[in-house]
Amino acid sequence: KQEVTQIPAALSVPEGENLVLNCSFTDSAIYNLQWFRQDPGKGLTSLLLIQSSQREQTSGRLNASLDKSSGRSTLYIAASQPGDSATYLCAFSTSGSRLTFGEGTQLTVNP
Amino acid sequence: EAGVAQSPRYKIIEKRQSVAFWCNPISGHATLYWYQQILGQGPKLLIQFQNNGVVDDSQLPKDRFSAERLKGVDSTLKIQPAKLEDSAVYLCASSYEWRGANVLTFGAGSRLTVL
Repeated sequence: KQEVTQIPAALSVPEGENLVLNCSFTDSAIYNLQWFRQDPGKGLTSLLLIQSSQREQTSGRLNASLDKSSGRSTLYIAASQPGDSATYLCAFSTSGSRLTFGEGTQLTVNP
Repeated sequence: EAGVAQSPRYKIIEKRQSVAFWCNPISGHATLYWYQQILGQGPKLLIQFQNNGVVDDSQLPKDRFSAERLKGVDSTLKIQPAKLEDSAVYLCASSYEWRGANVLTFGAGSRLTVL
């Protein structure tokens, strides 16, 4: 059974800081992984998708990496802004279909 | 492009009552999902439809939960009878395929409180 762990559970940083969110998984036979953002009272927004054959994806100030051998993924946020405050969830698919989510990291960026 | 629509946004019921949630996916998305998100946890897949057929309902508590997607468009998730532990946000999502991966778009969710 795929287990997904996200560390830390919560993070508070000052504006402008670069930060890294961590995600680990137990099953190396992943198909792809995705990072999502969830704002309070809202649904999830897909940020980045990394196929199993890829090692990283970038979108603006966000960079996500995948290391299947160590069972880890990281989401790097450069020059954080208060608008980045949200819960960030990683999710893995082992069949290209069902996603298994972690419990998320709640990020607060203080002005 | 209109997003995934869900209703109602909030529902409060007594235990043992029934409740139904509705979802209208993005036009043209063949795959529709219902997820349950308990406070402080990540979403858990309840059921996945491809058009109007069920692809995965292995985590759906079938003794009390049911879902249908008539005509392969909108969908309804029903809980009867509700239990306290069903208090959660019920998220609907639809997806398109991109390079072999399903890219999901989520609705805002329906928050259920069972008293």
